[in-house]
Amino acid sequence: QKEVEQDPGPLSVPEGAIVSLNCTYSNSAFQYFMWYRQYSRKGPELLMYTYSSGNKEDGRFTAQVDKSSKYISLFIRDSQPSDSATYLCAMSGGTGGFKTIFGAGTRLFVKA
Amino acid sequence: IAGITQAPTSQILAAGRRMTLRCTQDMRHNAMYWYRQDLGLGLRLIHYSNTAGTTGKGEVPDGYSVSRANTDDFPLTLASAVPSQTSVYFCASSDSGGRTGELFFGEGSRLTVL
Repeated sequence: QKEVEQDPGPLSVPEGAIVSLNCTYSNSAFQYFMWYRQYSRKGPELLMYTYSSGNKEDGRFTAQVDKSSKYISLFIRDSQPSDSATYLCAMSGGTGGFKTIFGAGTRLFVKA
Repeated sequence: IAGITQAPTSQILAAGRRMTLRCTQDMRHNAMYWYRQDLGLGLRLIHYSNTAGTTGKGEVPDGYSVSRANTDDFPLTLASAVPSQTSVYFCASSDSGGRTGELFFGEGSRLTVL
């Protein structure tokens, strides 16, 4: 079993839709939870960062962490064609030490 | 613009050849990393360095070596390339030793081994 599981998609939605992206993980010691966005043929860039459980909102993006269920989510409101990218969840800390573990990434297409 | 520079951006290589992927950062970050990205497998850590002069093995280190002679440079060497090393390679850095997972990535080096 992988430490981090993420549905690779692809996920296709119409412009303006609410998008929900999710990951599950097995290591209960993880403390830092991230979402990275990666455009085609580019490097990943940090989108959202959360420490421990709870919600964090930044504009149209909301990140949720439920440590009791080992489940994290990213919600995108009013999705735009420019949101079309691969979204990778990532986590680190605790017994994972200095290493960041990534999910496989979910490809998202937002149709105009 | 500050960040991470990787070279080459793309390379086709014959099996058995030696290849060094270069990575330079100008953010004075202590920690640097090499990942490979393959379809369906996501980003997998090859080697890392928490500070200049030290290196460590990641999840998939076999067939790769690294050095960290100074803060800014972290080259990745394939001593004798094999087709299974065909991948996109990303260099990354962090100013927190990776503890918080906030990594800054380069644009990638796309390597094809024939």
